[in-house]
Amino acid sequence: EIVMTQSPATLSVSPGERATLSCRASQSVSINLAWYQQKPGQAPRLLISLASTRATGIPGRFSGSGSGTEFTLTISSLQSEDFAVYYCQQHYNWPRTFGQGTKVEIK
Amino acid sequence: QVQLVESGGGVVQPGRSLRLSCAASGFSFSNYGMHWVRQAPGKGLEWVAVIWYDGSDKFYADSVKGRFAISRDNSKNTLYLQMDSLRAEDTAVYYCAGYRREPADIWGQGTTVTVSS
Repeated sequence: EIVMTQSPATLSVSPGERATLSCRASQSVSINLAWYQQKPGQAPRLLISLASTRATGIPGRFSGSGSGTEFTLTISSLQSEDFAVYYCQQHYNWPRTFGQGTKVEIK
Repeated sequence: QVQLVESGGGVVQPGRSLRLSCAASGFSFSNYGMHWVRQAPGKGLEWVAVIWYDGSDKFYADSVKGRFAISRDNSKNTLYLQMDSLRAEDTAVYYCAGYRREPADIWGQGTTVTVSS
C-alpha cells in the first residue's frame, strides 16, 4: 500500500496570502495524484487531477505541481471560501490511498 | 443536473448487515467507474471499494475485504454496497463517487452508518 503523507497538519494563513501544501508518497505514483477540498458537512470536491490539471470550474488561484513522490498544492491568494481541509490521493495503484489532510485555517 | 444520492444508512448493531445505495442522475452512469469512500467522525477520507463501469472488476480495501461487496445495476443507474459483519470501526459517513477517468469528480453528499449496540 502506498502511504500518502501531508504536511503541515494545520496551516494558518491570512486572507490574501499564499498557501503551500505538501504531499509525499511512499513510492512513486508518477503524476497520478489528485487534490480534493472538503468543507465541514460537505462532500470532497476535486480540485486537481494528474498532479497539475485543474478540474472544471476550479479558479486559477489553485495550482498543483510535482511528480514521483513529491507534490505541492498552492493557493496563490487565499479567499474566505478557501478555508477548508485539503486531501491528496494517489490514483496510481490499488488500494487508492489518501493523505491525512491539511487544514487551512484563518490566521 | 449531475447528481449522486446515497441512502440506506442508519444505526445497526455489531455483526449485523446493511446495504447502501447510490442513485445516479444527470450523467451516463454506465460509462462511469464508481467508488465508495468513507469518513469516520472527525477523521480523514478512507477509500473502501471500486467497481468498473461495466461491473467487470472490483477492488476492496483490506479493512473491508471479505465483509463488504460492491455491485451496480446499470439499468437502474444505481450503485450498491452490501456491508456484512459490521464493526464499530465501520462507523462513518459513506460517500459514493464516480469517474469517467480517475480521479473521481462526481460525489454524493454521503449517508451515515453507525455501528453500535
